[in-house]
Amino acid sequence: GEEVAQTPKHLVRGEGQKAKLYCAPIKGHSYVFWYQQVLKNEFKFLISFQNENVFDETGMPKERFSAKCLPNSPCSLEIQATKLEDSAVYFCASSAVSNEQFFGPGTRLTVL
Amino acid sequence: GDSVTQMEGPVTLSEEAFLTINCTYTATGYPSLFWYVQYPGEGLQLLLKATKADDKGSNKGFEATYRKETTSFHLEKGSVQVSDSAVYFCVGGGNKLTFGTGTQLKVEL
Repeated sequence: GEEVAQTPKHLVRGEGQKAKLYCAPIKGHSYVFWYQQVLKNEFKFLISFQNENVFDETGMPKERFSAKCLPNSPCSLEIQATKLEDSAVYFCASSAVSNEQFFGPGTRLTVL
Repeated sequence: GDSVTQMEGPVTLSEEAFLTINCTYTATGYPSLFWYVQYPGEGLQLLLKATKADDKGSNKGFEATYRKETTSFHLEKGSVQVSDSAVYFCVGGGNKLTFGTGTQLKVEL
């Protein structure tokens, strides 16, 4: 597609439940990035992929968070056993070259 | 590690006023620099970019020049409109973007 698509738009989970977020990059883009926006404005890089390979995972929490980009499927970000502090907007971005990223509309995760 | 510092908001201006949002960066080397804008309830949109020293990015009346000597990338617009009200993020990097804290701009009639 012409835009980065993210689903769902909103996700509500009870503490301890699993959350799974999806991202379809722009067609032809080989890089995918995940960011977490907390406290309204603070962005944190989580992980990036080049095609289905992890490119940089230095921002991923060691526990509970995982991500995949499989061929012919949307990329996914999964949080096992969610905690209150996981409440945030999660943005996916894609790029054809590594220095210009196009962002999706985000998924708002609320952990109760 | 890399860091981006931008002026804190909120900034409130009257329509047609001049806008400056300051941004400085600290990085290993000279990263590409960007300004992204986030309108209420929406995702991030790339506003403009510069990939090397002395590059000037411009779009929709906004401009920013990549100044290596001052490590700055200040955003300017000569005459703001109500529709420019949004949060503006100064961003640096390549594969892994580093965001400033965002500056909320409110333009009033």
